Amino acid sequence: NAGVIQTPRHKVTGKGQEATLWCEPISGHSAVFWYRQTIVQGLEFLTYFRNQAPIDDSGMPKERFSAQMPNQSHSTLKIQSTQPQDSAVYLCASSLGVNSDYTFGSGTRLLVI
Amino acid sequence: AQSVTQPDARVTVSEGASLQLRCKYSYSGTPYLFWYVQYPRQGLQLLLKYYSGDPVVQGVNGFEAEFSKSNSSFHLRKASVHWSDSAVYFCALSRTGGYKVVFGSGTRLLVSP
Repeated sequence: NAGVIQTPRHKVTGKGQEATLWCEPISGHSAVFWYRQTIVQGLEFLTYFRNQAPIDDSGMPKERFSAQMPNQSHSTLKIQSTQPQDSAVYLCASSLGVNSDYTFGSGTRLLVI
Repeated sequence: AQSVTQPDARVTVSEGASLQLRCKYSYSGTPYLFWYVQYPRQGLQLLLKYYSGDPVVQGVNGFEAEFSKSNSSFHLRKASVHWSDSAVYFCALSRTGGYKVVFGSGTRLLVSP
């Protein structure tokens, strides 16, 4: 079991460009979560899916961020028109189900210049 | 709504000394509680978790935590720290029947030689 896989590990984009981050959850895990981590804000919840269905996107900035889970083996987080304030580590996690602990990926470090 | 407070942003201890990292939670029901650790440039890893039973729960690498319902606390302890324990520690909670975990702001632990 390779754990939760996030690609790429590092991404540098120019201001205004699009960034797509990928997450492959652990096989058999029914829930997938996205978090953003910065020094200033700490760990911020973005969104989560259960059995591929979007359940809670209350943490997503509405205008430029979107997330999808087209199949049970991967989820994507897309940021359109990236801004310097989007620079952060984006963490993906998956869990077995209700009240289960998370397994996190190593994160994607996004730098917008 | 539930919340988790870690009152100490940074803690410094000497190698070989004992450690306690504080965690307070707010939740009206019986919580599922977790401690995670994050090493530099990695995702979060589960140290231990608690739901019921013995209020002292053992985790990996000699860590343990004690649940106190009366104090709404779930403090993390270790009898003797090693320099490799330097990391950021997160306390977290999920409500009964919930998928989503709420994280505290984290405590950065520095173990000095």
